[in-house]
Amino acid sequence: GQNIDQPTEMTATEGAIVQINCTYQTSGFNGLFWYQQHAGEAPTFLSYNVLDGLEEKGRFSSFLSRSKGYSYLLLKELQMKDSASYLCAVWGSNDYKLSFGAGTTVTVRA
Amino acid sequence: EPEVTQTPSHQVTQMGQEVILRCVPISNHLYFYWYRQILGQKVEFLVSFYNNEISEKSEIFDDQFSVERPDGSNFTLKIRSTKLEDSAMYFCASILEGLDTEAFFGQGTRLTVV
Repeated sequence: GQNIDQPTEMTATEGAIVQINCTYQTSGFNGLFWYQQHAGEAPTFLSYNVLDGLEEKGRFSSFLSRSKGYSYLLLKELQMKDSASYLCAVWGSNDYKLSFGAGTTVTVRA
Repeated sequence: EPEVTQTPSHQVTQMGQEVILRCVPISNHLYFYWYRQILGQKVEFLVSFYNNEISEKSEIFDDQFSVERPDGSNFTLKIRSTKLEDSAMYFCASILEGLDTEAFFGQGTRLTVV
């Protein structure tokens, strides 16, 4: 089975940095995704990690440590529009499906 | 930019009625999925579909659910006899191929069973 944990909520100030952690225990591993989801909308792709290390994409970066079963999403220079839920999702091995964590709701305050 | 489209965006149905949720995946994609998200809860896998057959399904996907790809472009989810607890957002997703490509999600169908 898949077990993916991330904090429920985080709050940060506009312009600040927030780090959202994700730990996973899955039956095999073939990559980890981060998605952003605004209320009532579909998840949209942010980043993908399959090898250890940091992937940077503008204001967003994602890190993976496969040996620790750990990833984080770093959001820099926070903007009000970044208020959303951030979903950690894992491809297990031998299955062609994404399994999602419960999501972390980030609230950006002025 | 290619996108996954879903219809309808909202569906209200009476308990016990059948509903069909429709999806048009991105045209050259090979793997298709249905997920659901009950309000305030996480995105849950329902079923994956590849090469015109179900490749995997979750415990949620019981005999009341079925999927079809009737004409090479549409991908449908049918719920035969809806229950109140089927009320949720239903997302269709597709991927091109392989495990290292992102899943593209449709905008979802909000199903309300009354």
